[in-house]
Amino acid sequence: DVKVTQSSRYLVKRTGEKVFLECVQDMDHENMFWYRQDPGLGLRLIYFSYDVKMKEKGDIPEGYSVSREKKERFSLILESASTNQTSMYLCASSYQGFSYEQYFGPGTRLTVT
Amino acid sequence: AQKITQTQPGMFVQEKEAVTLDCTYDTSDQSYGLFWYKQPSSGEMIFLIYQGSYDEQNATEGRYSLNFQKARKSANLVISASQLGDSAMYFCAMRAPLDFGNEKLTFGTGTRLTIIP
Repeated sequence: DVKVTQSSRYLVKRTGEKVFLECVQDMDHENMFWYRQDPGLGLRLIYFSYDVKMKEKGDIPEGYSVSREKKERFSLILESASTNQTSMYLCASSYQGFSYEQYFGPGTRLTVT
Repeated sequence: AQKITQTQPGMFVQEKEAVTLDCTYDTSDQSYGLFWYKQPSSGEMIFLIYQGSYDEQNATEGRYSLNFQKARKSANLVISASQLGDSAMYFCAMRAPLDFGNEKLTFGTGTRLTIIP
């Protein structure tokens, strides 16, 4: 079974802190994605990566950065957390090719106080 | 820009009845893919079904089928013989254009389905 794991299910951070969210997949997928999910807004793409060290901005990259040093690992970084970044963060991975589905991790619920 | 619209924020359906969840999309591309995902209360997104824009037949996966009407730009999910375990949030998503390195999905806002015993 494909497995996408995220470092934490729940995280509470203070405003201004640097936050790292880690995602690991075990299926040798080329693509990896970070989304945030907010009620009434669905899932919105923050960043994605189609290869090691490659990254592309999604729809809402402001306030976030990413790192992909190894194929299986994709990190989302909040340089200086703010309360409007309180959200559910979902990581996903997939093979390259338009018909391949994305596999999602369990999500990290981040609260910034 | 691509857009997915799910007009039903919530639905209540009697157990064993069939369910249709609506999804319309907007794109100027000819090549695209449509996906449906299920998100139970546990939070994990589960892939259900895929339809390519050039597929001539409607996709089916067990109790799930996709009613694809290209001219209307709709891709409704049909669940036959609903079960209590079908209670969840359902998201429609689109991938377009189908270019290498641009494989992001655009999601709708979702429909919360509740199955009543």
